[in-house]
Amino acid sequence: AQKVTQAQTEISVVEKEDVTLDCVYETRDTTYYLFWYKQPPSGELVFLIRRNSFDEQNEISGRYSWNFQKSTSSFNFTITASQVVDSAVYFCALSEYGSSNTGKLIFGQGTTLQVKP
Amino acid sequence: EAQVTQNPRYLITVTGKKLTVTCSQNMNHEYMSWYRQDPGLGLRQIYYSMNVEVTDKGDVPEGYKVSRKEKRNFPLILESPSPNQTSLYFCASSPYTGTTYEQYFGPGTRLTVT
Repeated sequence: AQKVTQAQTEISVVEKEDVTLDCVYETRDTTYYLFWYKQPPSGELVFLIRRNSFDEQNEISGRYSWNFQKSTSSFNFTITASQVVDSAVYFCALSEYGSSNTGKLIFGQGTTLQVKP
Repeated sequence: EAQVTQNPRYLITVTGKKLTVTCSQNMNHEYMSWYRQDPGLGLRQIYYSMNVEVTDKGDVPEGYKVSRKEKRNFPLILESPSPNQTSLYFCASSPYTGTTYEQYFGPGTRLTVT
């Protein structure tokens, strides 16, 4: 069965610290997609990144970076030099591409990140 | 501006009074979907639509209906709302042309059923 686990419920850091948000997934499909979304206090869901199962290259976008490791079924997200505006709930999500492909996003429970000034 | 819009953003209603939450996207996306977000339960898919001809149930479809008469709109209908449908609802859309793309979410509709 498919599942996404974000073991860290809440993380609190001081501005400029680096922080890593963990994501572990389970799937039987060989083709799947992984995502990160940000939900700021205003409530909307903001897309951050998509990764397919065949692309294990790490990605960096400004202060954000993602580490995808199929061997450990993990897709971790690191924010470098965190800022107060990074305070939000972050969701990792999985979408399978197989016989049961419905485009459904399977979300983790989310990690609440608080960045203190 | 490319976006997904939802209306209303906030709604307080009473049990049994039919309501519709509208969703519209201006990105010519094929795929649209509805999710609900609840504390402790996370985000769960209610219904999805691959295109105007294909609509199907997600994980929690009970008590909801949808309609996809045209590509840009995907309203969520609660025929007889109950308090357990109090939730934050999100509409999403995606190009979804044979592969899986990211879904873009609307701003959310906070529904309270008393």
